[in-house]
Amino acid sequence: EAQVTQNPRYLITVTGKKLTVTCSQNMNHEYMSWYRQDPGLGLRQIYYSMNVEVTDKGDVPEGYKVSRKEKRNFPLILESPSPNQTSLYFCASSLSTASLPYEQYFGPGTRLTVT
Amino acid sequence: GNSVTQMEGPVTLSEEAFLTINCTYTATGYPSLFWYVQYPGEGLQLLLKATKADDKGSNKGFEATYRKETTSFHLEKGSVQVSDSAVYFCALSPYNTDKLIFGTGTRLQVFP
Repeated sequence: EAQVTQNPRYLITVTGKKLTVTCSQNMNHEYMSWYRQDPGLGLRQIYYSMNVEVTDKGDVPEGYKVSRKEKRNFPLILESPSPNQTSLYFCASSLSTASLPYEQYFGPGTRLTVT
Repeated sequence: GNSVTQMEGPVTLSEEAFLTINCTYTATGYPSLFWYVQYPGEGLQLLLKATKADDKGSNKGFEATYRKETTSFHLEKGSVQVSDSAVYFCALSPYNTDKLIFGTGTRLQVFP
């Protein structure tokens, strides 16, 4: 089954404790992206990757890191989480043609609480 | 810059009522337009899309027409069901990019 998986689905942590949220897709997609969803703000892009070893900042990258060492995986790293990073996080992937945007497939989400 | 504005919710309807969720956009060039739906506890799924002016996207009884003159992409359905209860996001993708820019989402609640 074609899908995007994220782990963990729920995470409660404390300020400053490094964490990683994993994202994996099995559709051989080039493009992958991380979003955060906050009430009244919709989804905002954190980082994206056009292909292996190619990553770039989205609209709200502060406090986050990513890596793309393999095509299928795109982990999100919070080196020192703070309470303002409490949010619902989504990973997404798509084929990348730019000239004709394809559907983005979303993972089920990771609800992160930083106390 | 690029942005999407959609009507605030929640939108509350009885089953079989007509649905409209308004969406307007600001963009340079010729963006593609999308509606995504988020069911409770799930990620977003593409509902429909349109890639050029006057295109109509449709799926599962939902429709939206890309209106360049009014910079709008309103979502409509003639007869909603309880199972349509979800949050609906309007989004645009600027020309020649994979980036998605979302509106704030509109919650739809349909009662029997």
